[in-house]
Amino acid sequence: AQSVSQHNHHVILSEAASLELGCNYSYGGTVNLFWYVQYPGQHLQLLLKYFSGDPLVKGIKGFEAEFIKSKFSFNLRKPSVQWSDTAEYFCAVIGDTGRRALTFGSGTRLQVQP
Amino acid sequence: GAVVSQHPSRVICKSGTSVKIECRSLDFQATTMFWYRQFPKQSLMLMATSNEGSKATYEQGVEKDKFLINHASLTLSTLTVTSAHPEDSSFYICSARVDLSSYNEQFFGPGTRLTVL
Repeated sequence: AQSVSQHNHHVILSEAASLELGCNYSYGGTVNLFWYVQYPGQHLQLLLKYFSGDPLVKGIKGFEAEFIKSKFSFNLRKPSVQWSDTAEYFCAVIGDTGRRALTFGSGTRLQVQP
Repeated sequence: GAVVSQHPSRVICKSGTSVKIECRSLDFQATTMFWYRQFPKQSLMLMATSNEGSKATYEQGVEKDKFLINHASLTLSTLTVTSAHPEDSSFYICSARVDLSSYNEQFFGPGTRLTVL
């Protein structure tokens, strides 16, 4: 079974600061990796995904993530955050066998101060 | 993108009553839908996987007799919380998967907040 760890539970940044949120997964086979965002009072939205190919993936709103297979990591980055990026961020993984349901990390609450 | 709706968005009920939550894929057909539950300030935990026309597959620790799932059509899945108790109060979220070869993206509904008094 797969598992996902997000080590940063709560991050507070000032506007224009750079962001990096850690995500590590545990799974022995091929994985698909995702980052979702949940703005206050809203539903989950997909930020970006990795299936194969270029390990550096770009998503919406200036976010990107890099898949490092040797480190089992898929960290999320943004060079300059905005107040509107305040939200909960979830890393998720789907393995290549079984029911192929998403396994989520515990989430990181990002608070951007103006 | 694909749209998934949930109804109701919020429900308050008395202990012992049953509550039905609907999940609909509005502009696509979903052979698979998932039900998650999210406690405050925690992550989403998968409860069950629902396939159209067959019985749902429940995760370990989820009572199938308490959380009844029906996936009657390619656009509708329902979750019924039977004999709800205060500990069932939570945020329930469904998602629908677009099955296109190896494409695994899921689209999430807005969630249903259940409060059991």
